[in-house]
Order: sequence, then C-alpha cells, then structure tokens
Amino acid sequence: DQQVKQNSPSLSVQEGRISILNCDYTNSMFDYFLWYKKYPAEGPTFLISISSIKDKNEDGRFTVFLNKSAKHLSLHIVPSQPGDSAVYFCAASENSGGSNYKLTFGKGTLLTVNP
Amino acid sequence: NAGVMQNPRHLVRRRGQEARLRCSPMKGHSHVYWYRQLPEEGLKFMVYLQKENIIDESGMPKERFSAEFPKEGPSILRIQQVVRGDSAAYFCASSPPSGTGYEQFFGPGTRLTVL
Repeated sequence: DQQVKQNSPSLSVQEGRISILNCDYTNSMFDYFLWYKKYPAEGPTFLISISSIKDKNEDGRFTVFLNKSAKHLSLHIVPSQPGDSAVYFCAASENSGGSNYKLTFGKGTLLTVNP
Repeated sequence: NAGVMQNPRHLVRRRGQEARLRCSPMKGHSHVYWYRQLPEEGLKFMVYLQKENIIDESGMPKERFSAEFPKEGPSILRIQQVVRGDSAAYFCASSPPSGTGYEQFFGPGTRLTVL
C-alpha cells in the first residue's frame, strides 16, 4: 500500500525551462511534506518542505505547491540547470507524539536537464 | 563540520552471515533513523533511536534485524543470517534533539549485497 506516489519515473527537460515534478498521497493524516534530491551513490539531501497549513513555499528556484483537497503536491524548478539532474523524492510525515519523524517516501523521479 | 557518516559504504556477505552497519550522526544530533531502499523503491522507515533507547521500531522486520544506539559510539544496524532479499541500500539519518523530527540529514548509505 503506497501512501506516497510519484507516477513519473523520469522527466527530461531542456536547460532554462521549467521542471515540474508531481506527487500524490493517500494518507489524510500527513501534515508535512518534503522534497529530497539524490545523486548516485549519495544520500538524499533536503531541498524544500511545506506544512499542510500552507499551499505554497518558495526558496530561490524551487517552489512547492500543495493541494490538500486533491492530495497532490508538485515541485517546480525554474530555470532548470544541468546540475539539477538527479532523482527527486517526495516524502510525507504525520505528527506522532509531537514529532514528525517517520518519513514516507515515494519511489522517486529521475530528472534529466539537457544542456 | 562533518555530516552523517556511514561505514562501510559497500558490504558483501554470503547467505547466513551477519552484517553490521554503522552510523555516526552529525555533531550535536542525538536522534538517529534507519531507512532501507530496495531496488526500484523509495526509502522505507525502519527504526528511530535516541541514545540508549529505541523509540519506534515499527518498520523493522520481526526477525534477524536489530538496532542500537549506545551511550558512546555509533549506531549499529545488525542483520543476522542475511538472505538475498536483504540486498539493499541502508541509509542512516540524524536530527537534533530539539525540533520536530523531520529535519533529517542523511548519510551516504551502505550498499549491502548478499551473494
């Protein structure tokens, strides 16, 4: 039972254009969402997050949008750069005893930004 | 300013042997989490530990797997009598004692191959 789904295994984008990565979730108790970026042979690195009380969070070239009614979030990268090429994981957590430690990950989307 | 350290980076074991994976959290972090990533899958939560305490082991297989985080030294994930299905990347993450728990910093992972 996959609670966090990334339905696109891969995405290819031209340098300078917008990359849009999508994520759907089924657990309505999730209240915090994160995006991680992962290069081969490295661990995931935190990129950006959003609380369920917001619908948008922006950090430089990265913006995350949350649509709670649709249980959908997306990550926008603009402009895309070749160095953005990596696997992007969507993750979600629900508050448990005052802590959101148990992250549930999607399977990831491989983004390739072509020069 | 070292990040989360994991060793070994690669571990090869024959079926029936024991695997010991080590994780040193970031300086000042006292919370450790272990995740497993099977091929073509997302990361899956295994266990959450604080110094000398297992807080949540709901993601750990019931048999052969154990974890500890002693007062001194690294956290250890131990897999006894390994089987081929244990082949995966095992990631450790850490977080500071304060905060909500989702600010997890990941190590580079240990890739376990069972022959």
